Amino acid sequence: QKEVEQNSGPLSVPEGAIASLNCTYSDRGSQSFFWYRQYSGKSPELIMFIYSNGDKEDGRFTAQLNKASQYVSLLIRDSQPSDSATYLCADGRGSARQLTFGSGTQLTVLP
Amino acid sequence: GAVVSQHPSRVICKSGTSVKIECRSLDFQATTMFWYRQFPKQSLMLMATSNEGSKATYEQGVEKDKFLINHASLTLSTLTVTSAHPEDSSFYICSAEVGGAKGYTFGSGTRLTVV
Repeated sequence: QKEVEQNSGPLSVPEGAIASLNCTYSDRGSQSFFWYRQYSGKSPELIMFIYSNGDKEDGRFTAQLNKASQYVSLLIRDSQPSDSATYLCADGRGSARQLTFGSGTQLTVLP
Repeated sequence: GAVVSQHPSRVICKSGTSVKIECRSLDFQATTMFWYRQFPKQSLMLMATSNEGSKATYEQGVEKDKFLINHASLTLSTLTVTSAHPEDSSFYICSAEVGGAKGYTFGSGTRLTVV
């Protein structure tokens, strides 16, 4: 059973629109969640992390965590073509605090 | 700050040879380093957790005799792919927990191609 699930997409949105990326997790003990962006052939870049229920905003990005529903999402406002990448959701609850990644969602922002 | 330098970025080797990948934490001490492998169009899969001064912890299905990990200092962890085969061709990435607002930092990755 996968611990972190993501819709693999691909997801396409027009430039300027809001992109919504979703992630569910299976372990109720999970406390920390991370969103990474990965361009093809590159290593992941941290967008933001969230520990508490509710919303966390950073510029055009908003992470949402709902522990009751075991659901994490990432909203990207005013999407730009440069946002086109694979977005990885990760759970940081490993015993050694290792990250467990979802399969990633490929986002394409159309000019 | 909190940079992990990984090299080589790209390596091509012959089947049966060994390849060493290095990850160095440049401005912080990494007592723990994580090694991931990523096949095309797939997510990152944790291979092993490297601990400074002790044996690495391998994930289920990862051969510890094939993927040798050494974490001899607080700033250097190495992964050696021994007797490499074409199916070992992949993107290998190291990561360290930085903590605070930075969370985890990743090396730039090593693209291994075994021919």
